[in-house]
Amino acid sequence: DAKTTQPTSMDCAEGRAANLPCNHSTISGNEYVYWYRQIHSQGPQYIIHGLKNNETNEMASLIITEDRKSSTLILPHATLRDTAVYYCIVKWYNQGGKLIFGQGTELSVKP
Amino acid sequence: GAVVSQHPSRVICKSGTSVKIECRSLDFQATTMFWYRQFPKKSLMLMATSNEGSKATYEQGVEKDKFLINHASLTLSTLTVTSAHPEDSSFYICSARAPSAVVSSYNEQFFGPGTRLTVL
Repeated sequence: DAKTTQPTSMDCAEGRAANLPCNHSTISGNEYVYWYRQIHSQGPQYIIHGLKNNETNEMASLIITEDRKSSTLILPHATLRDTAVYYCIVKWYNQGGKLIFGQGTELSVKP
Repeated sequence: GAVVSQHPSRVICKSGTSVKIECRSLDFQATTMFWYRQFPKKSLMLMATSNEGSKATYEQGVEKDKFLINHASLTLSTLTVTSAHPEDSSFYICSARAPSAVVSSYNEQFFGPGTRLTVL
């Protein structure tokens, strides 16, 4: 599975959009980009995933560049409860691929 | 739907004892479950893949005789930390892969809430 690179930490003001970048320059054509988050002392929570088109759900939006070498997770109106570690993971979709977690980005939403 | 539970949520034991952690898929059958461990301020590290009815597959560097995994049914996998020592103190998390009938367009793997093990 391709490796991902994320900033170690980011801050965001409450109510503003949080934009979390991820680089995955070695991604292959059949690999999807997944985002999970982990609130302190809890299990990871799925957020969103995509292949090449931009995706949106009730939690977030995922913007994937045309060359698929990077992506951005957008939390449109961050709240204090969005404070968590956000993991960008690349893997094969629904083909038995393991989720291998990198270091993630620690997002702190501040009042 | 697609809820995964773990029991216990927290356990404290003496050095040298064995501890069993259960992972259950509550509303779906999971042929595959995964076990992770996480040290403070660190990321999740995959320990092993647990397949129902067969032996677990361990990641490189994980001692299979130390961390016994049993996936005896489609809704239950257990991780036993044998002869636990203080360095085994960690947060243990399981996940379960849902079958295609349960998977929606959004996700296939669901995580439990984790078990915090402290070995004195």
